[in-house]
Amino acid sequence: DVKVTQSSRYLVKRTGEKVFLECVQDMDHENMFWYRQDPGLGLRLIYFSYDVKMKEKGDIPEGYSVSREKKERFSLILESASTNQTSMYLCASSWVGTGVGSPLHFGNGTRLTVT
Amino acid sequence: ILNVEQSPQSLHVQEGDSTNFTCSFPSSNFYALHWYRWETAKSPEALFVMTLNGDEKKKGRISATLNTKEGYSYLYIKGSQPEDSATYLCAFTYGGSQGNLIFGKGTKLSVKP
Repeated sequence: DVKVTQSSRYLVKRTGEKVFLECVQDMDHENMFWYRQDPGLGLRLIYFSYDVKMKEKGDIPEGYSVSREKKERFSLILESASTNQTSMYLCASSWVGTGVGSPLHFGNGTRLTVT
Repeated sequence: ILNVEQSPQSLHVQEGDSTNFTCSFPSSNFYALHWYRWETAKSPEALFVMTLNGDEKKKGRISATLNTKEGYSYLYIKGSQPEDSATYLCAFTYGGSQGNLIFGKGTKLSVKP
């Protein structure tokens, strides 16, 4: 089974801090994603990476950056955390092989609170 | 703006009831339709990915159909069990890239024993 591991389940940070959310997958997937989930909204894509060092902005990239130096690891960086970034963050990965027919495999999520 | 609508928003059924939910999506530039089950405190789990008009998929008591011409998919659960309680998400891919995957807000199902 594919395993997608997010480094923290819960995180509390202060406004203005630089925050790193780490995600590791163990199935050699090319695609990796960062989403955020807020009450009353669907999952919204922050960034998408289709290969090492390759990235695309999603729907809500403002205030975030990403890093993909190795295929298995995709990091989400909050350059200067703000209270409106309090949310549940989900990492996912998928295999390129069947193209858009590949299901996403999700991590358990990181619930970030910015105070 | 492309939008995926799911209905109903929430649903409460008794154990043994059969139920279904709807996912509506834009019918143009369709590539794939995904269904996920998201149980509380767990990660979303893929149920089905469908790409062809008329596709029907089945996994145990859960099945799904796809109509790409009119832009909808149905998810059916036969004989609901308490363990089926979860939020069911659908997502639509357009434009040929998985970066173009748009999620609906989900249908929250509660099954009472």
